[in-house]
Amino acid sequence: SQQGEEDPQALSIQEGENATMNCSYKTSINNLQWYRQNSGRGLVHLILIRSNEREKHSGRLRVTLDTSKKSSSLLITASRAADTASYFCATDNGSARQLTFGSGTQLTVLP
Amino acid sequence: EAQVTQNPRYLITVTGKKLTVTCSQNMNHEYMSWYRQDPGLGLRQIYYSMNVEVTDKGDVPEGYKVSRKEKRNFPLILESPSPNQTSLYFCASSPLAGPRREQFFGPGTRLTVL
Repeated sequence: SQQGEEDPQALSIQEGENATMNCSYKTSINNLQWYRQNSGRGLVHLILIRSNEREKHSGRLRVTLDTSKKSSSLLITASRAADTASYFCATDNGSARQLTFGSGTQLTVLP
Repeated sequence: EAQVTQNPRYLITVTGKKLTVTCSQNMNHEYMSWYRQDPGLGLRQIYYSMNVEVTDKGDVPEGYKVSRKEKRNFPLILESPSPNQTSLYFCASSPLAGPRREQFFGPGTRLTVL
C-alpha cells in the first residue's frame, strides 16, 4: 500500500530559489524520512523526523511535520543545479521496520 | 567503505528462466529489504528480513523468493520471471538498534524480462 503521497509530482525552479515539496500520509506514523534519488541510482537518506517533532534542520534542508494533518514538507533553500533529483518521503509505524514510500517529486533546478 | 552492493546491475532475460539477484552489505546490519521501483508507483517493498533466517513479505511478494542464511547477504530469487517483473530493483539495509533508522540502498538492478 502507498502511504506517502508527494506533491507536486514535478517541480522546476531556477538556481538560488527555494524548493518546497509536500508529503501526505494516511495512517499514524512513528517516523517520517526523506530520501533523494539521482536518476537511476539508489536512494540516499536526507533527514528523519520523529512523530513528536515538529521541525528539523540539516544544512539547507528544513523538514516540518504536522501529525494532525498527516503531512510533512521538505524545504531546500538556495537550490543548486546539483539538487536536481527525485525526492521521496517514507513513513514507518514503528513496528517491523517497514518503510512505505510515496511516488516522489521530481525536482529540476535550472542553472 | 560502508556499502550495499548488488549484482548484476543490468540483466535481460526471458520468461521462465530462473534468476537470482545478489545483495550484500558490509555494515553488520540486521535488517535488509528488497524494493522494486516502477514509474509513477514509487518504491514498493517485496520482502524484508529482520535478521538471519527471519524473512517476511512486503507489499508485493508474489513471484519472488528470498533467503537470509548469512547476515551480510540477502539474495532475491525469481523462480519463473514474467514480463510484469521488468523493473528497477533495490536492496537496502539498516541497523535495528540506535536512533538512526535510515536505510542504506544499493545502486539498483535493472531487470528486463522478455
